[in-house]
Amino acid sequence: ETGVTQTPRHLVMGMTNKKSLKCEQHLGHNAMYWYKQSAKKPLELMFVYSLEERVENNSVPSRFSPECPNSSHLFLHLHTLQPEDSALYLCASSQVVMVGGGDNSPLHFGNGTRLTVT
Amino acid sequence: LAKTTQPISMDSYEGQEVNITCSHNNIATNDYITWYQQFPSQGPRFIIQGYKTKVTNEVASLFIPADRKSSTLSLPRVSLSDTAVYYCLVLSGNTGKLIFGQGTTLQVKP
Repeated sequence: ETGVTQTPRHLVMGMTNKKSLKCEQHLGHNAMYWYKQSAKKPLELMFVYSLEERVENNSVPSRFSPECPNSSHLFLHLHTLQPEDSALYLCASSQVVMVGGGDNSPLHFGNGTRLTVT
Repeated sequence: LAKTTQPISMDSYEGQEVNITCSHNNIATNDYITWYQQFPSQGPRFIIQGYKTKVTNEVASLFIPADRKSSTLSLPRVSLSDTAVYYCLVLSGNTGKLIFGQGTTLQVKP
């Protein structure tokens, strides 16, 4: 149990479908993140939310739409995806998004949603 | 953003000490060095973090020389279950961004 729960664990969708990935953290953290991990590639930071406000959008295509209704929940809405979007999508949380130096705030990851776009 | 470079892969045997070195030549004054471990089909797990000198916890030790341009993760007496990908990251104290590199795939053999 990592304290960060992602559902579903596996998802297969067609290119015309609309689906959503869900993330919930039980750690009382204030920051949440979406990362994408493609085969044999480093994790790519997609979005960062701090206190429900989006603070980072890393040039992600608009077919990925994040939503953070409160500090415990994060969604990634998917529509008209491409096969190259198939990947492991990881959600993470941290106490704060550190800006300006100071002590760290380690990321706590969920176990991801394995997405396959057909 | 400070870029990190680490070996793509390493092999070891059970019971050995494993040292994985990471270089981060353009690390900034406010940056922290952080290591994560990732097993297949799981999210990365925080192992250890440091700013300078030596940090030790129940899992590993982290050695950081005075110039902070490199760091070494030391895993004592590895077991088969330590087979994983290990990521060295520099947490930017100015932006809060944590950028992952390719990581080091450690294979522990019996």
